Amino acid sequence: GESVGLHLPTLSVQEGDNSIINCAYSNSASDYFIWYKQESGKGPQFIIDIRSNMDKRQGQRVTVLLNKTVKHLSLQIAATQPGDSAVYFCAENIISWGKFQFGAGTQVVVTP
Amino acid sequence: SAVISQKPSRDICQRGTSLTIQCQVDSQVTMMFWYRQQPGQSLTLIATANQGSEATYESGFVIDKFPISRPNLTFSTLTVSNMSPEDSSIYLCSATGDLGTEAFFGQGTRLTVV
Repeated sequence: GESVGLHLPTLSVQEGDNSIINCAYSNSASDYFIWYKQESGKGPQFIIDIRSNMDKRQGQRVTVLLNKTVKHLSLQIAATQPGDSAVYFCAENIISWGKFQFGAGTQVVVTP
Repeated sequence: SAVISQKPSRDICQRGTSLTIQCQVDSQVTMMFWYRQQPGQSLTLIATANQGSEATYESGFVIDKFPISRPNLTFSTLTVSNMSPEDSSIYLCSATGDLGTEAFFGQGTRLTVV
């Protein structure tokens, strides 16, 4: 079946640098995507979302880009901080509202 | 945003026993879901908890193993039945409101079966 996946399992970033986390999806009918952050021992925390009628959306220090042509999603974190160290998941809305298929996850490690 | 509370936050259980996990949302929500996250892995959807009717299970998950209740708009339970060590996972409750709102998660229940 169709699935969501990530290119990089681990990303090491120096504090202050920008981070880019990538995600590939294969379901062309998906129309809603979310990026989640999961810290150790906690549930996924919503970061930012984007609908398929948009190609870019910005939040506080985060930007999500959607390229429907190549079915690619990315999360950019500006000026990465130690508190950004976590696992980041992209999630794709599948079939019916509220049901999400999650990517494999990327561990982001921020080094001083 | 909705605040989702799960109980217990963690438990260690003997194989062959069952554990019921509770999920309470602080506001009325449209949809509630249960996910499983095995150690070091991503989240997998178990089922949709339907209010007042049987849950809708995803492929690979069955009601006898994971009975689910949702008696009202803000509360749901997931039972992990006849547990084995392979059931050791984090179980997460999720809820979403009206169309156009994001899905929120509880903090998860970390289950270890020995």
